[in-house]
Amino acid sequence: SAVISQKPSRDICQRGTSLTIQCQVDSQVTMMFWYRQQPGQSLTLIATANQGSEATYESGFVIDKFPISRPNLTFSTLTVSNMSPEDSSIYLCSVGESSYEQYFGPGTRLTVT
Amino acid sequence: AQKITQTQPGMFVQEKEAVTLDCTYDTSDPSYGLFWYKQPSSGEMIFLIYQGSYDQQNATEGRYSLNFQKARKSANLVISASQLGDSAMYFCAMSVYNQGGKLIFGQGTELSVKP
Repeated sequence: SAVISQKPSRDICQRGTSLTIQCQVDSQVTMMFWYRQQPGQSLTLIATANQGSEATYESGFVIDKFPISRPNLTFSTLTVSNMSPEDSSIYLCSVGESSYEQYFGPGTRLTVT
Repeated sequence: AQKITQTQPGMFVQEKEAVTLDCTYDTSDPSYGLFWYKQPSSGEMIFLIYQGSYDQQNATEGRYSLNFQKARKSANLVISASQLGDSAMYFCAMSVYNQGGKLIFGQGTELSVKP
């Protein structure tokens, strides 16, 4: 399976600021996704990161709040903009070469004060 | 719409015993995959096992097996010979093939293994 890294692993941020999370894979992958896990909750898909084009967002998530870049097949970033305490979550990227395999990065634990 | 349901918020099992974590799913699409992930307190998501909708046999990976009952739309995870390190949250998830591989998750089951 692919080796996936995320930076930062955790951060504490002030309300109103923005944080960019990086996801790096050690091999080229077709699919890359960003998920959010709020405290005590399950995972919810934010968007599909498309290589060379705009991300595809799920209902309830917008580009202005969660801009995503994917410049190539091994790297993506998710920005959490204008943060509020409700954005405190674990943010996870996942990658897969097909629909029957998906692996997750170690996650970024974000606390907004 | 697709949905995953895990009805057991928490489970206890004695060390070395087997445990079954329940998962039911709902989709009208004939091509889909079912996944189980383990999430320890560190927050990482560890892939455990996968079952495709057209697979004839139940998937197995070491101590993990997936009891796939297609007619009942259930995909229960069986962990044999539980270990203390199995204590974690367990998530069932589904991917519908014509929707680009994205995963839909259940609410999770917290498993506690007692010594």
